[in-house]
Amino acid sequence: AQSVTQLGSHVSVSEGALVLLRCNYSSSVPPYLFWYVQYPNQGLQLLLKYTSAATLVKGINGFEAEFKKSETSFHLTKPSAHMSDAAEYFCAVTDTGTASKLTFGTGTRLQVTL
Amino acid sequence: NAGVTQTPKFRVLKTGQSMTLLCAQDMNHEYMYWYRQDPGMGLRLIHYSVGEGTTAKGEVPDGYNVSRLKKQNFLLGLESAAPSQTSVYFCASSRIRGGGLAYEQYFGPGTRLTVT
Repeated sequence: AQSVTQLGSHVSVSEGALVLLRCNYSSSVPPYLFWYVQYPNQGLQLLLKYTSAATLVKGINGFEAEFKKSETSFHLTKPSAHMSDAAEYFCAVTDTGTASKLTFGTGTRLQVTL
Repeated sequence: NAGVTQTPKFRVLKTGQSMTLLCAQDMNHEYMYWYRQDPGMGLRLIHYSVGEGTTAKGEVPDGYNVSRLKKQNFLLGLESAAPSQTSVYFCASSRIRGGGLAYEQYFGPGTRLTVT
């Protein structure tokens, strides 16, 4: 069974500081990994995805993530936080079955302060 | 394109009442999903469908039923609502998996359900 662990349910950074949101996965086969963002009272929006083409993945809004097989990690980063980045972020892994079901982490709420 | 839409946006039910949540997508996706989101638990899969007329159970299917009579619609039913079903419900859809690729899921805006 696959699983995803997001360390830190809440992360607070200052505007302009580095954003680092952690995600570790457990999978017996090479996984497909996703980061989604959820703004208040909205649905989930795809930030980026890893599908084995390249280990460093660039997404929208300046975010990127690096797939590290040796560490079973897929951490999300952004060099300089903006107030508009305040949201909840979810890491997810999909299985190898035909239905592409997602298993989500519990989420990390990012707070950006002045 | 509207993407994935959900009806209604909010609903309050009393224990034992029934209701149906409607999900519609206009992207011609084969796969559709229903999730529930609870604080501190992320999203958990309730039921999913890999095509018209086909449904399957997810991680937390008890107390829910689904139907996919048309490719673009996926209905989630609660026959006898319980307070434990108070949650935010999200529908999603995605392309059929092929060529070794898994495609992302597109999410609706959610339905906030309260059962008293």
